[in-house]
Amino acid sequence: AQKITQTQPGMFVQEKEAVTLDCTYDTSDQSYGLFWYKQPSSGEMIFLIYQGSYDEQNATEGRYSLNFQKARKSANLVISASQLGDSAMYFCAMREGLRGANSKLTFGKGITLSVRP
Amino acid sequence: DTAVSQTPKYLVTQMGNDKSIKCEQNLGHDTMYWYKQDSKKFLKIMFSYNNKELIINETVPNRFSPKSPDKAHLNLHINSLELGDSAVYFCASSQDLGQGPYNEQFFGPGTRLTVL
Repeated sequence: AQKITQTQPGMFVQEKEAVTLDCTYDTSDQSYGLFWYKQPSSGEMIFLIYQGSYDEQNATEGRYSLNFQKARKSANLVISASQLGDSAMYFCAMREGLRGANSKLTFGKGITLSVRP
Repeated sequence: DTAVSQTPKYLVTQMGNDKSIKCEQNLGHDTMYWYKQDSKKFLKIMFSYNNKELIINETVPNRFSPKSPDKAHLNLHINSLELGDSAVYFCASSQDLGQGPYNEQFFGPGTRLTVL
């Protein structure tokens, strides 16, 4: 079974509007972390936001927020006020188990977001 | 003041050759990783090292051998390159020791390897 599922193949959003990128995960661990990374066309991987499994509040970082629904095992990324520079591939990732070097980061297949002017 | 750097950025080589990719981080992190991103953009972990010790080896062929001379460096050597090795290889680092929430992994700029 896939650990991280990102089913939206491509998303389009009008500039200045909000967009939600979906991510569901599968784990039996109680302790885990969820991450979102952005990969623009230039290729680098940029960390956006993190949500811990024990965090009671949804994480927010500037225009990024994470809609964490633990019972549904979903961790959707919400980008508010989209900008042209947000056009990129977005990856959801999960780290399971106790904090430590043997707890690896597992990535989803990614979602391509295109922002229209 | 680059956090995680990789060299070279591009690597084009013939099948059967041996090549190395170098990675250095100046963040003082104790854990480093190698990831492979294939042509479909799927990212998969290959190795992780903690304080020069190999922790994760994800069913990677023996032709791939990571080496960590110190905790700031993690190099990847590939023997007998094959066409299927063509991909982007990312190095990453994080601070893993201690309690508390996970820290993000900082990625290098990637090395695009093309095997002809």
